[in-house]
Amino acid sequence: GDSVTQMEGPVTLSEEAFLTINCTYTATGYPSLFWYVQYPGEGLQLLLKATKADDKGSNKGFEATYRKETTSFHLEKGSVQVSDSAVYFCALNRNSGNTPLVFGKGTRLSVIA
Amino acid sequence: DADVTQTPRNRITKTGKRIMLECSQTKGHDRMYWYRQDPGLGLRLIYYSFDVKDINKGEISDGYSVSRQAQAKFSLSLESAIPNQTALYFCATSDPYGTGGYEQYFGPGTRLTVT
Repeated sequence: GDSVTQMEGPVTLSEEAFLTINCTYTATGYPSLFWYVQYPGEGLQLLLKATKADDKGSNKGFEATYRKETTSFHLEKGSVQVSDSAVYFCALNRNSGNTPLVFGKGTRLSVIA
Repeated sequence: DADVTQTPRNRITKTGKRIMLECSQTKGHDRMYWYRQDPGLGLRLIYYSFDVKDINKGEISDGYSVSRQAQAKFSLSLESAIPNQTALYFCATSDPYGTGGYEQYFGPGTRLTVT
């Protein structure tokens, strides 16, 4: 079945460091890919998405490129801030219209000043 | 006002009690979902509903039941709560006919503790 694998956390970085959170997926066809973020005490909110191969999603300085050849959707940010401390979830949807999102287990990021 | 609301936000209950968690949405979406979140396990799908007459089990439905009272309301019940149901519960909605990619919108969560 469909699945998403994320790098395990927690990840701890200093402010202004470069961030990469790896995400790979297994799915049939051409799924849509998502990154969700969960700030402390809140629900999940969409950070960015890509719906086809080679698309780049971007938001709030974060980027991820849909790489079908490597089945990956790695999240990157050039300079993290303390306010980026959160849990990040990679997810996919098969685009069949009849299946819920499949989530990775989440990666906790802590950014220290 | 939030598009997806959950009540209660926090609940402590005792083993064996019946409890209901409620979810309401104003987004007009047909599809609604219930997830639980446990440390290290990510989000796991409990039940989902694609319209008022459609209910589907997710990967961890045992010990839970749901009711879709209307397009806007989707309730999750624990018939006889047990301590390992202590978790953070999220409701979500989606619209497959909206923007591409079947994005889901989440409520703020209900923290449930079973003692």
